[in-house]
Amino acid sequence: DQQVKQNSPSLSVQEGRISILNCDYTNSMFDYFLWYKKYPAEGPTFLISISSIKDKNEDGRFTVFLNKSAKHLSLHIVPSQPGDSAVYFCAARGLRGNTGKLIFGQGTTLQVKP
Amino acid sequence: DSGVTQTPKHLITATGQRVTLRCSPRSGDLSVYWYQQSLDQGLQFLIQYYNGEERAKGNILERFSAQQFPDLHSELNLSSLELGDSALYFCASSPYRDNEQFFGPGTRLTVL
Repeated sequence: DQQVKQNSPSLSVQEGRISILNCDYTNSMFDYFLWYKKYPAEGPTFLISISSIKDKNEDGRFTVFLNKSAKHLSLHIVPSQPGDSAVYFCAARGLRGNTGKLIFGQGTTLQVKP
Repeated sequence: DSGVTQTPKHLITATGQRVTLRCSPRSGDLSVYWYQQSLDQGLQFLIQYYNGEERAKGNILERFSAQQFPDLHSELNLSSLELGDSALYFCASSPYRDNEQFFGPGTRLTVL
């Protein structure tokens, strides 16, 4: 049962344009969502997060939007740069409790073309 | 550099064998998490320890076990290895159940 889904395995955009990565989830009890970026042969690196009580969080070129009614979040990267080419994972924090375990989507490979 | 270290970086072994993966969390972090990433898969949560105690369990096989030591480093033990256990194993740490987890570079396990 895939509780967090990234339906697009890959995305290709031109340098300078907007990249939009999407993520859907099924469990309305998730209270925190995160985006991680992963380069080959490295561990995931935290990018940006959003609490379920908010609908938008912005950090520089990165903005995450949360639509709770649709159980959907998206990551916008503006402007996209070639160094942004990586695999992007969305993750949701598990059910309420004293555990911080994360449930990850399958990942989307972003390619930013110069 | 996240501050989380994992050893070894690569491990090649045979079916039926037992291996131990090691993780040192960031200084001050009390929680350690283990994740498995198989080919073309997302990261799957295995187990969490907080200050030496098991806090949460995911889809961890009975052949796998983990522990967190008094100095807060953690070990993941994989036994009776099968071909399907070949994967990347990541360790992450956080101060408690804080929102961001910081990942190590991973251990690539190959079972032949």
